[in-house]
Amino acid sequence: SQKIEQNSEALNIQEGKTATLTCNYTNYSPAYLQWYRQDPGRGPVFLLLIRENEKEKRKERLKVTFDTTLKQSLFHITASQPADSATYLCALDTRPSSGATNKLIFGTGTLLAVQP
Amino acid sequence: DVKVTQSSRYLVKRTGEKVFLECVQDMDHENMFWYRQDPGLGLRLIYFSYDVKMKEKGDIPEGYSVSREKKERFSLILESASTNQTSMYLCASSLFGGYAYEQYFGPGTRLTVT
Repeated sequence: SQKIEQNSEALNIQEGKTATLTCNYTNYSPAYLQWYRQDPGRGPVFLLLIRENEKEKRKERLKVTFDTTLKQSLFHITASQPADSATYLCALDTRPSSGATNKLIFGTGTLLAVQP
Repeated sequence: DVKVTQSSRYLVKRTGEKVFLECVQDMDHENMFWYRQDPGLGLRLIYFSYDVKMKEKGDIPEGYSVSREKKERFSLILESASTNQTSMYLCASSLFGGYAYEQYFGPGTRLTVT
């Protein structure tokens, strides 16, 4: 069955450092991968989308890589700030056989804590 | 600004009650989704809809039903609430198509069934 793994342990880093979060998947080949941020008690907020034919995508201090050979995506936040503290979710599309709605499968998320 | 709203932030219901969770989006999106989120299990898809009056089961539809009478509104119904349906319920919407458009989420409804 399709499986997505994110590090369940919290990631603690010092302000100003680069945070790197990992998303691994098995048993399927997504065409797209998305990253979301979720604050406590709130709904997830979309951050970045990367296609299978893209190696890297950037947006301000955020960078995402997508390695379809390793079946892995890395999510980087450079010059991290305490305000970046949140849970980060990766999500992969399920590549439907028809042109119908493309569903996402979400990982369980990694909690990032940036210490001042 | 894009907006998805949910009818309640917190809800407490008794076992056996019929529960309605409402979701409204103002982005004219075709797709709407209902998820539940539980610690250690992540977001799990209950039902989704890609058009008015259309619905498809997600990964955990048992014990739930949905209704989409208007494009902007998607309702989740718990026919007879049970304690194992205590959870955070999240609604989302997105554009339709084979392309995996990003999903916009509502603030969530924390439902407690006693």
